[in-house]
Amino acid sequence: DAMVIQNPRYQVTQFGKPVTLSCSQTLNHNVMYWYQQKSSQAPKLLFHYYDKDFNNEADTPDNFQSRRPNTSFCFLDIRSPGLGDAAMYLCATSRERILGGREGGYTFGSGTRLTVV
Amino acid sequence: SQQGEEDPQALSIQEGENATMNCSYKTSINNLQWYRQNSGRGLVHLILIRSNEREKHSGRLRVTLDTSKKSSSLLITASRAADTASYFCATGAGGGNKLTFGTGTQLKVEL
Repeated sequence: DAMVIQNPRYQVTQFGKPVTLSCSQTLNHNVMYWYQQKSSQAPKLLFHYYDKDFNNEADTPDNFQSRRPNTSFCFLDIRSPGLGDAAMYLCATSRERILGGREGGYTFGSGTRLTVV
Repeated sequence: SQQGEEDPQALSIQEGENATMNCSYKTSINNLQWYRQNSGRGLVHLILIRSNEREKHSGRLRVTLDTSKKSSSLLITASRAADTASYFCATGAGGGNKLTFGTGTQLKVEL
């Protein structure tokens, strides 16, 4: 089945040690997104790629970077994780245009829960 | 900001009852979507309603949209224990495809 896969499901990293989270998709969607979700909060958009065009949200810290080497893969790099970066990181994809109905909306991966120790 | 506010924050009902969740937002939108999130998992798209639509159905789900009041509601009829999850509204606006999520309603359906 076409899907969005995030690895790993759980990631523990040390304070200040760079970490990379990965996302892959078999949907061939043009757009890929990274969201950060802290406990009991709304998912917050960090950035998104429209094809190879990178779009950063204004309030996304410089500590967060992203790479999209091809259509299928997207990576989230946290250069120096702090305790406040512990969260669930969600990758999502969408078509270029929302067509509505069953074809509309984002497809999310299962997320990576990041713990910073 | 565009972020939606959902009401109630938490809802507990008995199996078989209907569950209604509300979402309010602040600025003009192109569409509004509802997502479901089981504990510790990703979000699953439930339904999308465009700004020129007033009501939409999908199985046991019914969504309404009132753009004059900048609000939407999600009704789940004949709820089941398996419906226990958090439900988020998300709004799409502007020329791009970015979604801004609301704060969510935590639904618990008890047997």
